Amino acid sequence: DVKVTQSSRYLVKRTGEKVFLECVQDMDHENMFWYRQDPGLGLRLIYFSYDVKMKEKGDIPEGYSVSREKKERFSLILESASTNQTSMYLCASEGGNQGGYTFGSGTRLTVV
Amino acid sequence: RKEVEQDPGPFNVPEGATVAFNCTYSNSASQSFFWYRQDCRKEPKLLMSVYSSGNEDGRFTAQLNRASQYISLLIRDSKLSDSATYLCVVSYDNFNKFYFGSGTKLNVKP
Repeated sequence: DVKVTQSSRYLVKRTGEKVFLECVQDMDHENMFWYRQDPGLGLRLIYFSYDVKMKEKGDIPEGYSVSREKKERFSLILESASTNQTSMYLCASEGGNQGGYTFGSGTRLTVV
Repeated sequence: RKEVEQDPGPFNVPEGATVAFNCTYSNSASQSFFWYRQDCRKEPKLLMSVYSSGNEDGRFTAQLNRASQYISLLIRDSKLSDSATYLCVVSYDNFNKFYFGSGTKLNVKP
């Protein structure tokens, strides 16, 4: 089974801090994605990557950046955390065979 | 307009009931369709893919209607363990970006 690992389940950060959310997958998947999930809004795509060092903006990239230096690792960066970035962050990996995403267990980030 | 729309529910049904969810999508070029299940405070997990011919997996049946641009999920003989939020997902580009509905919450009661 594909495993997608997110480094933290819960994080509390202060406004203005730089925040790194790490995601690692172990199945050599090309495509990786970062979503945030908020009540009533569902999952919204922040950024995705289809290859090493490649990145594409999703629907809500403002305030975020990403890094994909190695195929297995896709990092989400909040340059200067704000309270409206309090959310559940979900990383997903996909092998390009129309088989669906595999998600990490999520990081619940609170910005105070 | 949202890419994918679902009735948020909740659907409250007794054990053993049959329940159906629908979801509509806006892009007629959509190519891939899925149902995901999400338990409270957990990540979404793939329940089943939805094929043009329809598909069945045990008590679960998924159907696709391209003409009307909706997909459905039917659950027969509901179990308490089916209580969850069911997410409808469509994809229509080469990068396999997925568009998620907001989910339909199902509560199966004893």
